[in-house]
Amino acid sequence: NAGVTQTPKFQVLKTGQSMTLQCAQDMNHEYMSWYRQDPGMGLRLIHYSVGAGITDQGEVPNGYNVSRSTTEDFPLRLLSAAPSQTSVYFCASSPGNNEQFFGPGTRLTVL
Amino acid sequence: AQKITQTQPGMFVQEKEAVTLDCTYDTSDQSYGLFWYKQPSSGEMIFLIYQGSYDEQNATEGRYSLNFQKARKSANLVISASQLGDSAMYFCAMRELDGGSQGNLIFGKGTKLSVKP
Repeated sequence: NAGVTQTPKFQVLKTGQSMTLQCAQDMNHEYMSWYRQDPGMGLRLIHYSVGAGITDQGEVPNGYNVSRSTTEDFPLRLLSAAPSQTSVYFCASSPGNNEQFFGPGTRLTVL
Repeated sequence: AQKITQTQPGMFVQEKEAVTLDCTYDTSDQSYGLFWYKQPSSGEMIFLIYQGSYDEQNATEGRYSLNFQKARKSANLVISASQLGDSAMYFCAMRELDGGSQGNLIFGKGTKLSVKP
């Protein structure tokens, strides 16, 4: 089991560029989520999915899109990167009970 | 709305002593779960301990225990016999167990623990 994997680990973008952060899990979990972590803050929910084909917005969804075409994959798309999106991004998956597994994170800098 | 409050931005503890990290929560749900995560300087989120709202006993995992006081809506983490490797950020989080968003966590802002030799 690889658990939750995220790519890339680091990324630098210029303002206005677009990119996709990849997330995959091999535990057959229905629930997947994207969080961002800013300095001095806990993690904040961007988007989540309760199963393939179903997504919904979290606390801070603006500027991000997601899709869930398979149970395994949950990519996060930045449509037009802004400096305010400089952050560390965590993907997580859960079977929906008392467990939540996090990926190693992607550190994104937008210049 | 759900909310997690961690009032201690930073704490120091002497090696081998016990330390308590505070966490209070606010929810109108009857069914919820409380989590503690450790985030070392390397950045990964490490699960430590879980307490369900209907669990009658306080959760324990090795040197970690959760002091759950439901009426006070508090879920403090107790680390016994602190080690230098315990120096890290610690986050308290809560999850609804009913409804469609039950996979998601609400996080506090964290407490930075520093263990002194």
